[in-house]
Amino acid sequence: GDSVTQMEGPVTLSEEAFLTINCTYTATGYPSLFWYVQYPGEGLQLLLKATKADDKGSNKGFEATYRKETTSFHLEKGSVQVSDSAVYFCALSDPSEGRRALTFGSGTRLQVQP
Amino acid sequence: NAGVTQTPKFQVLKTGQSMTLQCAQDMNHEYMSWYRQDPGMGLRLIHYSVGAGITDQGEVPNGYNVSRSTTEDFPLRLLSAAPSQTSVYFCASTTIGLAISELFFGEGSRLTVL
Repeated sequence: GDSVTQMEGPVTLSEEAFLTINCTYTATGYPSLFWYVQYPGEGLQLLLKATKADDKGSNKGFEATYRKETTSFHLEKGSVQVSDSAVYFCALSDPSEGRRALTFGSGTRLQVQP
Repeated sequence: NAGVTQTPKFQVLKTGQSMTLQCAQDMNHEYMSWYRQDPGMGLRLIHYSVGAGITDQGEVPNGYNVSRSTTEDFPLRLLSAAPSQTSVYFCASTTIGLAISELFFGEGSRLTVL
């Protein structure tokens, strides 16, 4: 079955540092890829997505590029802020799995210090 | 905009008690689902529905029942609560295409079983 693997956290950075959170996946079909963010005490919300190879998703200064050759979708931001402190989830949707569900990674907690 | 509404936000149960977590959405989404979130394990799908009268099991369905009598509502029932069901539960919905795309999440229901 499909799976998503994320780097373990927590990731602790100083404000204005560069962020990378690694995500790799396995899928039987040609999936769409997503990054979701969960702020403290809230539900998950979509941060960005990419639907085919070499697509770049971007939002709020975050970017991720769909790399089919390395089966990766790493999340990056050039300069993090304290307000970016949250848990980040990588996820995929595989049409070969039908209309069943998103498959989520285990999440990576980001802590940004002033 | 209400979106996805979950109630209650917090609940404490004793082993063997039953309860229902309520989920309602006002976006006319065909697809609704329940996930549980546990530390280090990400989100795991419990049950999902692709329309009124249609439900199916996810990855971890044991101990939970669902029904979908209307498009708007998708309650999750715990028939005899166990400590292993202590978790944060999220309801999520979306429109249906060839595969699941962006999920819209509720704020979560934190359940503790003593």
